Amino acid sequence: QQQVKQSPQSLIVQKGGISIINCAYENTAFDYFPWYQQFPGKGPALLIAIRPDVSEKKEGRFTISFNKSAKQFSLHIMDSQPGDSATYFCAATQGGGSSNTGKLIFGQGTTLQVKP
Amino acid sequence: KAGVTQTPRYLIKTRGQQVTLSCSPISGHRSVSWYQQTPGQGLQFLFEYFSETQRNKGNFPGRFSGRQFSNSRSEMNVSTLELGDSALYLCASSPWGLITGNEQFFGPGTRLTVL
Repeated sequence: QQQVKQSPQSLIVQKGGISIINCAYENTAFDYFPWYQQFPGKGPALLIAIRPDVSEKKEGRFTISFNKSAKQFSLHIMDSQPGDSATYFCAATQGGGSSNTGKLIFGQGTTLQVKP
Repeated sequence: KAGVTQTPRYLIKTRGQQVTLSCSPISGHRSVSWYQQTPGQGLQFLFEYFSETQRNKGNFPGRFSGRQFSNSRSEMNVSTLELGDSALYLCASSPWGLITGNEQFFGPGTRLTVL
């Protein structure tokens, strides 16, 4: 119940295309869902995050879609660029008062390659 | 504002040894979390410290321990190293921690290789 399942494991997209990465969770107590981007040799960097009270959040070319009833959320990268080539992680956590407080539970990651 | 810094960046140890990794959070951040990243297990939470107290702990053996100092800097220690401890160890800081929904900022990590 603590897992976050992420798919696909790898993704190849042409420049200008849309990259879509999906995540699913079981624990309905999760209340914060961030996406991280990681380049080789670097730590993960926060891209965008969403809470369950909204169904979509957009920041520039990055959009999170959230489906609370299906317990799924996804990252859409519009107009994908070669510079977006990186590993993307979804994650989830919940607020105070439980054993899950204060820890991010990560998906397994998606390696994105954007071809020029 | 300077980001999260971790030292050393690379470390090579042999089985049975112990190791200490250091993390300096962003100025003003009081929460420090540690994660282990491996190709097989991905990113896994080790523990979180806030105001020098361990507030949460992941499912790792007691060989993994940590502490936080009054200036919020944190150290992680792994004793009796095993080959499987080879990983990238990441530190993340946030103002008050995820308990209040604050985002976490990650450092570049320490790459530990156990021979």
